Amino acid sequence: DTAVSQTPKYLVTQMGNDKSIKCEQNLGHDTMYWYKQDSKKFLKIMFSYNNKELIINETVPNRFSPKSPDKAHLNLHINSLELGDSAVYFCASSRIAGGTNNEQFFGPGTRLTVL
Amino acid sequence: SQQGEEDPQALSIQEGENATMNCSYKTSINNLQWYRQNSGRGLVHLILIRSNEREKHSGRLRVTLDTSKKSSSLLITASRAADTASYFCATFNQAGTALIFGKGTTLSVSS
Repeated sequence: DTAVSQTPKYLVTQMGNDKSIKCEQNLGHDTMYWYKQDSKKFLKIMFSYNNKELIINETVPNRFSPKSPDKAHLNLHINSLELGDSAVYFCASSRIAGGTNNEQFFGPGTRLTVL
Repeated sequence: SQQGEEDPQALSIQEGENATMNCSYKTSINNLQWYRQNSGRGLVHLILIRSNEREKHSGRLRVTLDTSKKSSSLLITASRAADTASYFCATFNQAGTALIFGKGTTLSVSS
């Protein structure tokens, strides 16, 4: 039983292409997140959605557009891919946003390579 | 700037030894969390310590928190090869809506 799943696991594409990464959680959580992990393993929040509504949009280029069709899904669409977008992207979920006992559950990651 | 900073960046030990990792943060917190990331995998939550707690145990893990020094430590006792991973501390941003992660400590345990 996969709690947070992402597809694809690997994505290799050319500069300028548009691609999407899908994320689904079966935990019944209200909040979902996208993180980017660079080659130095630095993990940074990109977006956060609570009950399908955007609550965080960090300084991410507008080429990145998250879409949440329902509470269990948060997809990430990236337009006009650039070399610097190469990274591992992690989806995560938590029961609620914030709070004093808010463990996050992570997906396995999607390794994006832009050539 | 990032909230947490782990120290050391890398740690190599033998099986059976203890491993200690430290984390410093900048702002006031409600809690601090530690996560583990095995190579090529997502992060897994290990333990959460609240701001009014000073120490917490979970199996072979011991976490301490010193809010006056804005620091936390993670101790793994009697380490095993399977403990080889990167370890991250994380605290919430000011709005309490997302976790801010440190750069992590990469632990290698050799048998």
